[in-house]
Amino acid sequence: GESVGLHLPTLSVQEGDNSIINCAYSNSASDYFIWYKQESGKGPQFIIDIRSNMDKRQGQRVTVLLNKTVKHLSLQIAATQPGDSAVYFCAETSYGKLTFGQGTILTVHP
Amino acid sequence: DAGITQSPRYKITETGRQVTLMCHQTWSHSYMFWYRQDLGHGLRLIYYSAAADITDKGEVPDGYVVSRSKTENFPLTLESATRSQTSVYFCASSESRDTQYFGPGTRLTVL
Repeated sequence: GESVGLHLPTLSVQEGDNSIINCAYSNSASDYFIWYKQESGKGPQFIIDIRSNMDKRQGQRVTVLLNKTVKHLSLQIAATQPGDSAVYFCAETSYGKLTFGQGTILTVHP
Repeated sequence: DAGITQSPRYKITETGRQVTLMCHQTWSHSYMFWYRQDLGHGLRLIYYSAAADITDKGEVPDGYVVSRSKTENFPLTLESATRSQTSVYFCASSESRDTQYFGPGTRLTVL
């Protein structure tokens, strides 16, 4: 069936480095994508979104890239900080249904 | 501005008991959702509501009941709790059914 998945389940980086978290999706009808951050013991927190008519969108220290040709989504975090340590989920929407990936654990070492 | 809140945050109950998890949002969002989060399964949709008095099943609705008499509240009831319902439950709300905003979660343990 249709699914959203992640290439890397864990990612460890040094403070100050840039982080890239990847996500593959299989539903070509997906028209909206979201990245969420979930810290331990908390609910998922919206980070940034992108619609399928865009290739790139930037926020504060974060950038989402969408490659529809290969059905790939990535989240780039600039100057990663210890407070960025969390699980990051991608999610895609198709016909109003939101489907979540399994998540990538990002660990930032001081 | 409280946003979206859930209560209780932690609950321990016994098999066969009825349990109700509460969700309240202050944004007047039309859509509300209930998810459960388990290791190996990620977030799975239990039920959702498009407006007051309108609810529909998600991916894993069995054993759960919802109601939505007011826009701001969306309680989730486990009619007869089972051990397999031990999980972390998240409520979310959305205006357009795109971006969903999540509550802090309820950790439920069924003994």
